[in-house]
Amino acid sequence: DVKVTQSSRYLVKRTGEKVFLECVQDMDHENMFWYRQDPGLGLRLIYFSYDVKMKEKGDIPEGYSVSREKKERFSLILESASTNQTSMYLCASSLSFTASNTEAFFGQGTRLTVV
Amino acid sequence: AQTVTQSQPEMSVQEAETVTLSCTYDTSESDYYLFWYKQPPSRQMILVIRQEAYKQQNATENRFSVNFQKAAKSFSLKISDSQLGDAAMYFCAYRSQYSGGGADGLTFGKGTHLIIQP
Repeated sequence: DVKVTQSSRYLVKRTGEKVFLECVQDMDHENMFWYRQDPGLGLRLIYFSYDVKMKEKGDIPEGYSVSREKKERFSLILESASTNQTSMYLCASSLSFTASNTEAFFGQGTRLTVV
Repeated sequence: AQTVTQSQPEMSVQEAETVTLSCTYDTSESDYYLFWYKQPPSRQMILVIRQEAYKQQNATENRFSVNFQKAAKSFSLKISDSQLGDAAMYFCAYRSQYSGGGADGLTFGKGTHLIIQP
């Protein structure tokens, strides 16, 4: 079974702190994604990576950065946490796109509260 | 850019009954992929069913089936014989036919909260 593991299920941080959310996948997937999930807004793509050290902005990258130094690990960084970044964060991974490889696998989410 | 719309924030169904969740999308592409994901209270997103736009036949997975209307850009999910374990948020999602860049990511609807009444 594919496994995508997020380092924390719940996290409470103070405004202005630098926050790291970690995600690890064990299936040698090329693609990794960070989504933000808010009630009534669904999931929105923050950043994604298609290879080591490669990254591209998604729909809502402001206030976030990412790091992918190893293929299996993708980190989301909040440089200076703000209360409007209180949310659920979901990591996902997938193989490079082919007609038979379309599924994304998700972690269990990190519920981040910024106080 | 593609958009996905789920017009039902919440649906309720009696156990053992059938329920249909609606999804419409907007795209200029001719080939693409559509998905329904389930997110139970555990928060683990689980793929329920997948449909390739070039296939005319509607996808089916056990009690779950879709009604894919390409011309109408509609992709509804039917759950037959609803069970208590089906209670969850359901998300409709779109993926481009093109690979690389943002096309490998999914575009999600806002979700439908499905309640199963015992």
